[in-house]
Amino acid sequence: DAGVIQSPRHEVTEMGQEVTLRCKPISGHDYLFWYRQTMMRGLELLIYFNNNVPIDDSGMPEDRFSAKMPNASFSTLKIQPSEPRDSAVYFCASSSGRLNTEAFFGQGTRLTVV
Amino acid sequence: KQEVTQIPAALSVPEGENLVLNCSFTDSAIYNLQWFRQDPGKGLTSLLLIQSSQREQTSGRLNASLDKSSGRSTLYIAASQPGDSATYLCAVNGNNRLAFGKGNQVVVIP
Repeated sequence: DAGVIQSPRHEVTEMGQEVTLRCKPISGHDYLFWYRQTMMRGLELLIYFNNNVPIDDSGMPEDRFSAKMPNASFSTLKIQPSEPRDSAVYFCASSSGRLNTEAFFGQGTRLTVV
Repeated sequence: KQEVTQIPAALSVPEGENLVLNCSFTDSAIYNLQWFRQDPGKGLTSLLLIQSSQREQTSGRLNASLDKSSGRSTLYIAASQPGDSATYLCAVNGNNRLAFGKGNQVVVIP
């Protein structure tokens, strides 16, 4: 397996624009997580899915953020409208169904909102 | 809410010395603890996973211990090499959600 695949790797956008980040989890994994990493706050969990269903979105900062998982092999994180404070590295991770297994991370998307 | 702390935030060691990285967490009700490595501008690479029932886990020059009752884990890296320079992150799994520390930034000096 190629691991967790995220796209794009880098995104620069203007304030107010819509941004969509994409993730392909490892095949067979039924948990998918979206994290955000900043210097100030470190890694924060935004939302996670189990079997394509959002389980906990309490980490989503505000209504401008939304996430979907239309099928087991694809998820999106959308920010609309984007703001400069959204600049961060966004990571997607996946794991198998059992609670005691490893989480595997993608390479991340570095988002810059100017 | 689980709080994870890693001390020190940054350290430098000469090549060949053993590295000791500390992680503490506030809620001992965990399923497992995972150590990751992150290189600048890169993603997270899983190094070791310790289940809550285990005391330690080893992989090559890496050894991680877990004392769940006191809320502590330690990552040991034996005979450090310049290639070990990176940020090491501790993540605690409670109910299938990982809570991360801010990392130990390590520089191994040749």
